[in-house]
Amino acid sequence: DAGITQSPRHKVTETGTPVTLRCHQTENHRYMYWYRQDPGHGLRLIHYSYGVKDTDKGEVSDGYSVSRSKTEDFLLTLESATSSQTSVYFCAISESRVEQYFGPGTRLTVT
Amino acid sequence: GQQLNQSPQSMFIQEGEDVSMNCTSSSIFNTWLWYKQDPGEGPVLLIALYKAGELTSNGRLTAQFGITRKDSFLNISASIPSDVGIYFCAGQSNFGNEKLTFGTGTRLTIIP
Repeated sequence: DAGITQSPRHKVTETGTPVTLRCHQTENHRYMYWYRQDPGHGLRLIHYSYGVKDTDKGEVSDGYSVSRSKTEDFLLTLESATSSQTSVYFCAISESRVEQYFGPGTRLTVT
Repeated sequence: GQQLNQSPQSMFIQEGEDVSMNCTSSSIFNTWLWYKQDPGEGPVLLIALYKAGELTSNGRLTAQFGITRKDSFLNISASIPSDVGIYFCAGQSNFGNEKLTFGTGTRLTIIP
């Protein structure tokens, strides 16, 4: 298994509060991704990073920001959480830009 | 965003049976990937396909990259209880384009 951890694994938060999810890798892979998984929508890309401090938007980036100050860490921030952001969030890493390896996920509930 | 269509959506089989599922797209892909997801866990990469017509195996799993580049197939032979889960296909349309397009998933259940 690729060395990917996500924290926290579960979080319940209130509407309007900021939330930061962390993805940490020990594989030294260059590319990192944040996805959300929702019933009926499958996995959708939020943001991705192609190097330290280099990030770009995915298909569902509104309401999310990311940062990558070190190769091993990729942070996803919800500036002001909304109920529509209740989801399971997955981080993925890749060295080839093709084969992506996923972390265990974070289940986020916004009440 | 675009999604790949997987069929069947769900399968109920008996242990020992062979399984076939497929993934179709309206557009061409240059790479196909197959993942398996167990409840409460992240998807695990099973097989990657890079060339039209390619047939690749990983143990009891065999996947094929369709000749038209618009489809891919996954077969599981002699199913066992640990094969239970959701199988996703994913396609990448341009090499080096980070964006994977994911299928809707096929849920496999083994009936005792």
